[in-house]
Amino acid sequence: QKEVEQDPGPLSVPEGAIVSLNCTYSNSAFQYFMWYRQYSRKGPELLMYTYSSGNKEDGRFTAQVDKSSKYISLFIRDSQPSDSATYLCAMRGALNTGTASKLTFGTGTRLQVTL
Amino acid sequence: DTEVTQTPKHLVMGMTNKKSLKCEQHMGHRAMYWYKQKAKKPPELMFVYSYEKLSINESVPSRFSPECPNSSLLNLHLHALQPEDSALYLCASSQPPTGLRELFFGEGSRLTVL
Repeated sequence: QKEVEQDPGPLSVPEGAIVSLNCTYSNSAFQYFMWYRQYSRKGPELLMYTYSSGNKEDGRFTAQVDKSSKYISLFIRDSQPSDSATYLCAMRGALNTGTASKLTFGTGTRLQVTL
Repeated sequence: DTEVTQTPKHLVMGMTNKKSLKCEQHMGHRAMYWYKQKAKKPPELMFVYSYEKLSINESVPSRFSPECPNSSLLNLHLHALQPEDSALYLCASSQPPTGLRELFFGEGSRLTVL
């Protein structure tokens, strides 16, 4: 079993739709959770960062973490064609644990927002 | 625009060639990383430099040789590569020790080995 599971998609939605992207993980030491967006042929860019369980909102984006279920989500409201990209979840442990020094990425979900 | 600059953007090399990938950042970050990314796969960590010292080597073959000449520069020297080494090579930087919450990636160098 992979440490982080993410549905690769592709996920195709119409413009304006609400998008839900998800990752599950198995390592209970993970405490920091990130979402990266990667456009085709570009490097990933950090979109959202969350520590431990809870919600975080930034504009049209909301990140949720449920540590009890080992499940994280990214919601995109009012999706735009410019949101078309691959979304990678990433996570790591606390600084004093063995997992602290590396990010573990999900495989990425390819999102296509159509007009 | 990304503040991590990678050159060249594209590189084609034969299996007997020696080439280098370069990365530069001017954000004052003291941790720099090399990642390898194959198509439709997540980035895979190769090396981490922290305060210009190699702190992580993910059992990368010796045909890849990293170098960190100073806090702003990171090189990846390539020699005797194999076609399966063709990939997007990403450089990233962060501010240790808490900086791992935010890696700044460059746009990558797309390598093709013939």
